[in-house]
Amino acid sequence: AQSVTQLDSHVSVSEGTPVLLRCNYSSSYSPSLFWYVQHPNKGLQLLLKYTSAATLVKGINGFEAEFKKSETSFHLTKPSAHMSDAAEYFCVVASGGSYIPTFGRGTSLIVHP
Amino acid sequence: DVKVTQSSRYLVKRTGEKVFLECVQDMDHENMFWYRQDPGLGLRLIYFSYDVKMKEKGDIPEGYSVSREKKERFSLILESASTNQTSMYLCASSFRRANTGELFFGEGSRLTVL
Repeated sequence: AQSVTQLDSHVSVSEGTPVLLRCNYSSSYSPSLFWYVQHPNKGLQLLLKYTSAATLVKGINGFEAEFKKSETSFHLTKPSAHMSDAAEYFCVVASGGSYIPTFGRGTSLIVHP
Repeated sequence: DVKVTQSSRYLVKRTGEKVFLECVQDMDHENMFWYRQDPGLGLRLIYFSYDVKMKEKGDIPEGYSVSREKKERFSLILESASTNQTSMYLCASSFRRANTGELFFGEGSRLTVL
């Protein structure tokens, strides 16, 4: 069985300040982990993925995430927020040979000028 | 550029109508998915298909059916639309690989049932 918990439903930051979106996962197997972004009225776009290679993963638009097995976490970070980063972010886990990934409930990132 | 195309971005239907949502992908993906997205609930899987004419129920299949007659096309059918099916519907596709969370999404179809 696999599950994913996004610890914050909303995160609010000022433009130019760091972003931290938190994600914890549960899996009986070595997981693959993903972050997606969804801008208003759009589909989801892959930001980055971890598939058992380097634990620090770099994605598009300056985002990165670190896989921490001991903490079962895969938090998404960005050093400096831009207004264009305002969107919904989803953490996703896939493991155990499953063909169906499990999505978190999403974190809404609000960026203030 | 890879593409998942959903036939309608916005639909308004009346209670009891039959509704078809169409999804086409051009990436030769084996897997196709239909999700429903509601505020605060994230994405919930309605149906999944891993091959032509094959389908599996997801978490919330009640009130929905699907059809996959060709590899590139996956249709979601609401036999008799109800107001509680007002939602955003997202189609996605992926290669048939274990532990694959790398899905390609369409732009979504926002359905309103009056």
